[in-house]
Amino acid sequence: AQSVTQPDIHITVSEGASLELRCNYSYGATPYLFWYVQSPGQGLQLLLKYFSGDTLVQGIKGFEAEFKRSQSSFNLRKPSVHWSDAAEYFCAVGARTGANNLFFGTGTRLTVIP
Amino acid sequence: EPEVTQTPSHQVTQMGQEVILRCVPISNHLYFYWYRQILGQKVEFLVSFYNNEISEKSEIFDDQFSVERPDGSNFTLKIRSTKLEDSAMYFCASSIRDRGPEAFFGQGTRLTVV
Repeated sequence: AQSVTQPDIHITVSEGASLELRCNYSYGATPYLFWYVQSPGQGLQLLLKYFSGDTLVQGIKGFEAEFKRSQSSFNLRKPSVHWSDAAEYFCAVGARTGANNLFFGTGTRLTVIP
Repeated sequence: EPEVTQTPSHQVTQMGQEVILRCVPISNHLYFYWYRQILGQKVEFLVSFYNNEISEKSEIFDDQFSVERPDGSNFTLKIRSTKLEDSAMYFCASSIRDRGPEAFFGQGTRLTVV
């Protein structure tokens, strides 16, 4: 069965510090991989996605993520966090064939302290 | 930039009442989805819709739920007889299949059943 694991429920970082949010997935084959961000009271905004090719993908707002097939991971990173990055971050996977829906992780809440 | 719009942003209803949540997907998208997020929990897939019929549905999407695309632009989710446990944020999303299942999400409708 498909599953997405985000082991960190809550992370606190200082503004300007680097950030890495972890995501591991369990899937029959390499899925499409996504990171979404949800700011308080807002909807889900796509940060970045991996479909194929270069395993290091760049997204909006200075985020990047690296797909590691051997580890079934797709960790999100940012070299320098801004206070506006405080939000909930969701990793999601989708099948390459067949059903077109996404499976989400439980999310990681990011708090940024001055 | 085109976006998915949802109305209303917040709806309060009494238990047992019918509710209809409305969505206007991105105009050239072909696949439509409803997801929900119970407070503090992960985003869960409810149903996908393509070519005027349901293509996939989760076990959550029981007989109390229905979807419709009544006029070629709106996409609605109806809950026939709401229960307290239906209280959640409901997200509409749409996608173009040939880009992979990259879904664009609306801002959500917060449904509160009292």
